[in-house]
Amino acid sequence: DAGVIQSPRHEVTEMGQEVTLRCKPISGHDYLFWYRQTMMRGLELLIYFNNNVPIDDSGMPEDRFSAKMPNASFSTLKIQPSEPRDSAVYFCASSDNFSGNTIYFGEGSWLTVV
Amino acid sequence: QKEVEQNSGPLSVPEGAIASLNCTYSDRVSQSFFWYRQYSGKSPELIMSIYSNGDKEDGRFTAQLNKASQYVSLLIRDSQPSDSATYLCAVYLGSNYQLIWGAGTKLIIKP
Repeated sequence: DAGVIQSPRHEVTEMGQEVTLRCKPISGHDYLFWYRQTMMRGLELLIYFNNNVPIDDSGMPEDRFSAKMPNASFSTLKIQPSEPRDSAVYFCASSDNFSGNTIYFGEGSWLTVV
Repeated sequence: QKEVEQNSGPLSVPEGAIASLNCTYSDRVSQSFFWYRQYSGKSPELIMSIYSNGDKEDGRFTAQLNKASQYVSLLIRDSQPSDSATYLCAVYLGSNYQLIWGAGTKLIIKP
């Protein structure tokens, strides 16, 4: 398997623009997670899906953030409008359970909002 | 507030020595414990998991768990420059995907 695939790997955008991050989980994994990592706050869980259904979005910072998983092989994280404080690395990860020992991360999407 | 605490470092260790990384957690119902390694600019990858009190060894890595004292540690023997990375401790609480992450300890192995 190719692992968790994220795109884009790097994005620089202007404040106010819409940003869409994409993720393809590992085939057969029922759980998909979106994380954000910054120097200040470390690794934060934004939202996770089980069988394409959002289970816990309590980590989504505000209404500007939204996530969807229309099918088992694709998910998006959207920020609209983007702000400089959204600059971070966004990781998508998938797992066939949620105990922590089979979670695989994508390579991340490095977002810079100027 | 469920928390996982790690010393942010950097922890500097000479090559060939033992690197000792520590993690404490606040929630006594924690069930599973994980150490992830993250190289600069890369994603976290699992290197060790431990579920019961005591030591678990895997090559140069040993994870130690003490549930009574609520800490978990990672020892790296014969440290190599390639071990230089940030090490993240993660604790699974056993329900509703409560996987709590520490902020990570940056480890530097000096040649």
